[in-house]
Amino acid sequence: AQSVTQPDIHITVSEGASLELRCNYSYGATPYLFWYVQSPGQGLQLLLKYFSGDTLVQGIKGFEAEFKRSQSSFNLRKPSVHWSDAAEYFCAVAPRSNDYKLSFGAGTTVTVRA
Amino acid sequence: DTAVSQTPKYLVTQMGNDKSIKCEQNLGHDTMYWYKQDSKKFLKIMFSYNNKELIINETVPNRFSPKSPDKAHLNLHINSLELGDSAVYFCASSQDSTGGSYEQYFGPGTRLTVT
Repeated sequence: AQSVTQPDIHITVSEGASLELRCNYSYGATPYLFWYVQSPGQGLQLLLKYFSGDTLVQGIKGFEAEFKRSQSSFNLRKPSVHWSDAAEYFCAVAPRSNDYKLSFGAGTTVTVRA
Repeated sequence: DTAVSQTPKYLVTQMGNDKSIKCEQNLGHDTMYWYKQDSKKFLKIMFSYNNKELIINETVPNRFSPKSPDKAHLNLHINSLELGDSAVYFCASSQDSTGGSYEQYFGPGTRLTVT
C-alpha cells in the first residue's frame, strides 16, 4: 500500500539550533515529493518540492530537503531555526501520473524554545 | 489579493443542519480541491475538479456534494451534518491536474464545528 510516514510527532528545538524532520514514503515508483508548513490557524504553504534532478532541493524560509532514493526518504532541514518556524510540517507525495492526488503524512509539530 | 479564499472562516452549527462552504481562487488555475483536516491534523483529499469536471472523488459520504459553477469556484455543500463532520476544511487549487508538476495553493481553511 502507498503511504507517507513522518516518524516524529513532535520536535522541540532551541532557537538557533538546527532542525531535521524525517519523511519516508512507500510507493511503487518515486513520486513527486513536497513539504508544506502550516502555521497556527493558517492554511498550508509550500516550502519546497522535488520532481527530478538535483536531490538536494532549496526552498523558502531557509529550508532544504534531500531526496534519497535508496532510503525512500525526503528529509527536511534548516541550519538555524527562528521562533517563527514553530508550526506543523507536512510531507506530501503525489504519483507521477495523471491522477494528481496529494497524500499527506501525519505531520510533525515543531516547537521552538528561546 | 488573496490567492485562494474561503468563506466562512468559522462555522458552528447543529447536527442535522445543511451548510455550505465557498471557495474562490484568483490564480487562473484549472484544478481545485477540497481537503478535510481532522482533530489530529491528518489531511485527506475529498474531491477535485478540473475545469468544472469532477476528477477525484474519494470515499466521502453522499451528504457531501461539491459544486463548481466555474473553474474559479468550488463550493462544498454538506447535508444532515453529523458530529464527525467537525473538522477544518481546506480548499486548494493548482494550475493543472496532470503529472503532479504543479504545486497546490491552499486557502486559509474553514473550521466547522457541529454541536
